[in-house]
Amino acid sequence: GQNIDQPTEMTATEGAIVQINCTYQTSGFNGLFWYQQHAGEAPTFLSYNVLDGLEEKGRFSSFLSRSKGYSYLLLKELQMKDSASYLCAVSNSNSGYALNFGKGTSLLVTP
Amino acid sequence: NAGVTQTPKFRVLKTGQSMTLLCAQDMNHEYMYWYRQDPGMGLRLIHYSVGEGTTAKGEVPDGYNVSRLKKQNFLLGLESAAPSQTSVYFCASSRSQGGAETQYFGPGTRLLVL
Repeated sequence: GQNIDQPTEMTATEGAIVQINCTYQTSGFNGLFWYQQHAGEAPTFLSYNVLDGLEEKGRFSSFLSRSKGYSYLLLKELQMKDSASYLCAVSNSNSGYALNFGKGTSLLVTP
Repeated sequence: NAGVTQTPKFRVLKTGQSMTLLCAQDMNHEYMYWYRQDPGMGLRLIHYSVGEGTTAKGEVPDGYNVSRLKKQNFLLGLESAAPSQTSVYFCASSRSQGGAETQYFGPGTRLLVL
């Protein structure tokens, strides 16, 4: 089965750094994705990790520890437009590599 | 290159009515997926397809049927709509199998069943 947990809500200040954690328990693990979803819009891809370690992409970084079933998304130099929901998802080789999503973390960036 | 498109964008149904949601992709992707998104529940997989002519059940398949007659299209059908099927439906596609293949999402279809 799949169990993916992430905080429901977070608030951070413009210009600051925020870390969104995700823990998972899964069979058939084939990588972990982070998606960003603005209200009323489709999810858009942010990052992918399949090996342990940190992947950096501009202001966003994502970390994975497979042995701990743990990932985090790090957002630096926060901007108002970063206010969105951040979805942690695990790719499952047992179901056509469909994504199993957490419930999402709603991030509010304040001035 | 439109990516993934969904038709319609919004629909209101009465209980017991039927409808079909259309997903189309122009990226020549093999894999296609239907998800539903409900408040507090996250995205859940309904059905998926690993190629033309193939379909498989996901986490929440009851009350839905799908067809993949053409590689570029993935249809989701509701034979007898129920209020519990009020949701936002997202279609996604990916190039091939393998965890590294990013899924691209359509804009969503908002369905209200009265």
